[in-house]
Amino acid sequence: GENVEQHPSTLSVQEGDSAVIKCTYSDSASNYFPWYKQELGKRPQLIIDIRSNVGEKKDQRIAVTLNKTAKHFSLHITETQPEDSAVYFCAASTGNQFYFGTGTSLTVIP
Amino acid sequence: DAGITQSPRHKVTETGTPVTLRCHQTENHRYMYWYRQDPGHGLRLIHYSYGVKDTDKGEVSDGYSVSRSKTEDFLLTLESATSSQTSVYFCAINQQGAVTGELFFGEGSRLTVL
Repeated sequence: GENVEQHPSTLSVQEGDSAVIKCTYSDSASNYFPWYKQELGKRPQLIIDIRSNVGEKKDQRIAVTLNKTAKHFSLHITETQPEDSAVYFCAASTGNQFYFGTGTSLTVIP
Repeated sequence: DAGITQSPRHKVTETGTPVTLRCHQTENHRYMYWYRQDPGHGLRLIHYSYGVKDTDKGEVSDGYSVSRSKTEDFLLTLESATSSQTSVYFCAINQQGAVTGELFFGEGSRLTVL
């Protein structure tokens, strides 16, 4: 099956700085790559996603890039704010099964 | 809101007892999933369903069974709970049916097995 690795497991940044989280996947058939944000005690919620026919996607302060050849994708958050503090999960899907990374705990220091 | 609810939200039980968690959706989505979340492991798929009476195993299915007798309900059963099954369980639905799309999660069920 698919194997998704995510790094780093923890990340601290100063408010206003950028944060980057990286994931790799193993199955070249994966074609959908969502990112989820989970605040403490809450459910994971989709923040951005990208499909395999696209190299980059942006939504305000967040962006995701995909390198299909290298089988890796990244989440970029610019101008970080304290409310960005949460656990972020990447995932890869080949169709109807979703495989998640182990999560990155992001702390934004005011 | 995709209209997905989980019950119970919290449960404490003893080793060896059976436990059933319920996931209920109101929007007729075909695909439903059960995940468990543990520190350092992220979200791991237990079982999923692609229709009434159609289910399949995920990556950590040992010790769990599921049933889907109606479109709206997907039940997860631990026949004989063990301490290693202490976890937070999330149900999810795929809002785009057979096309790969957004997973929408329920609020989670925290299970403690003593």
